[in-house]
Amino acid sequence: ETGVTQTPRHLVMGMTNKKSLKCEQHLGHNAMYWYKQSAKKPLELMFVYSLEERVENNSVPSRFSPECPNSSHLFLHLHTLQPEDSALYLCASSQTRDGSSPLHFGNGTRLTVT
Amino acid sequence: DAKTTQPTSMDCAEGRAANLPCNHSTISGNEYVYWYRQIHSQGPQYIIHGLKNNETNEMASLIITEDRKSSTLILPHATLRDTAVYYCIVRGYSGAGSYQLTFGKGTKLSVIP
Repeated sequence: ETGVTQTPRHLVMGMTNKKSLKCEQHLGHNAMYWYKQSAKKPLELMFVYSLEERVENNSVPSRFSPECPNSSHLFLHLHTLQPEDSALYLCASSQTRDGSSPLHFGNGTRLTVT
Repeated sequence: DAKTTQPTSMDCAEGRAANLPCNHSTISGNEYVYWYRQIHSQGPQYIIHGLKNNETNEMASLIITEDRKSSTLILPHATLRDTAVYYCIVRGYSGAGSYQLTFGKGTKLSVIP
């Protein structure tokens, strides 16, 4: 149990589908993050939310749409994805975003786009 | 973020101490050194972090040199479950109101029975 729960663990979707990834943190943290990990590549930061406000968007294509309805939940809405979007999508949270507190990661959603 | 340099891979005998080095020669004064590890198909697991002083917790010890240009993660008694990729990260201000964790390629630690 990492304190950060992601669902589903695995997802297969076609390029015309719409799906959503869910993340829930049980740690009382104020910041939440989406990362993407492609095969044999380092983790790439996608989005940062602090107190439900998006504070960073790392040039992510609009087919990825994040949503943070409250400080405990984070969603990543997916539509018209490409096969190269297949990857492990990781959610993380931290107490603060000033660098002094660690990120705690979930175990990710393994996404396959067919 | 300051760039970090780690060996690509290391082996360690089970029960011995594993010492994982990291160079971060361009680190600035307010940047923290973080260590994470990732076991295949799982999310990265936080291990330890520090600013200037050496740190110890139930998982590991972190030794930071006085000039802060390098550090060493020590797993005191490595077990087979410690086999993973270990990432040394300097967490710096991203200029957008947050501090990014920028992951490199890490060190693949193999604990040998």
